[in-house]
Amino acid sequence: AQTVTQSQPEMSVQEAETVTLSCTYDTSENNYYLFWYKQPPSRQMILVIRQEAYKQQNATENRFSVNFQKAAKSFSLKISDSQLGDTAMYFCAFMKHPLDSNDYKLSFGAGTTVTVRA
Amino acid sequence: NAGVTQTPKFQVLKTGQSMTLQCAQDMNHEYMSWYRQDPGMGLRLIHYSVGAGITDQGEVPNGYNVSRSTTEDFPLRLLSAAPSQTSVYFCASSYRDRANSGANVLTFGAGSRLTVL
Repeated sequence: AQTVTQSQPEMSVQEAETVTLSCTYDTSENNYYLFWYKQPPSRQMILVIRQEAYKQQNATENRFSVNFQKAAKSFSLKISDSQLGDTAMYFCAFMKHPLDSNDYKLSFGAGTTVTVRA
Repeated sequence: NAGVTQTPKFQVLKTGQSMTLQCAQDMNHEYMSWYRQDPGMGLRLIHYSVGAGITDQGEVPNGYNVSRSTTEDFPLRLLSAAPSQTSVYFCASSYRDRANSGANVLTFGAGSRLTVL
């Protein structure tokens, strides 16, 4: 079984500043995907960024980037130039590669609440 | 293109009552799933389906039933609601393409908040 740990329950950041969310995971798999999802107060789950384990290059999506350390089983998310609309809960999630699993199951961490201050 | 539609958005039940949470998607996704979200625990998989007529259990299936008679619909049934089933429920779907990694991204519905008294 995979476990995902987010050790920071809450974080606060000033608008335009940078914040980094940590995520570690435990798995014996070699091929897998990692995700960061954003859940604003509307409750909608929104995909922020995705990383494939076999790709060494860190994924980036505009102001969002990850630091993927496969050997350390670490997958942190950096939000640059924070905006008020970034205020949300952020979830780290793990999925086995579909070639190795039929259930497409996402294993989620407990989440980190990010508050962006004006 | 509506994506994944869940109904109802809110529901209050009494212990022992039954109800069905509806989920429909219009993207022709083979894979559909149900998750529950509880405070401090992230989301956990309840049941999933890889195609019409095929369902399987996830991490926390007890107390829930599912069926998949069509590609579009994947209802979640609570036969006898219990207070422990108070939660927010999410339906999610995706293409099922083992060879194309870009296809395997879940699209989530807006969630259904269920309270069992």
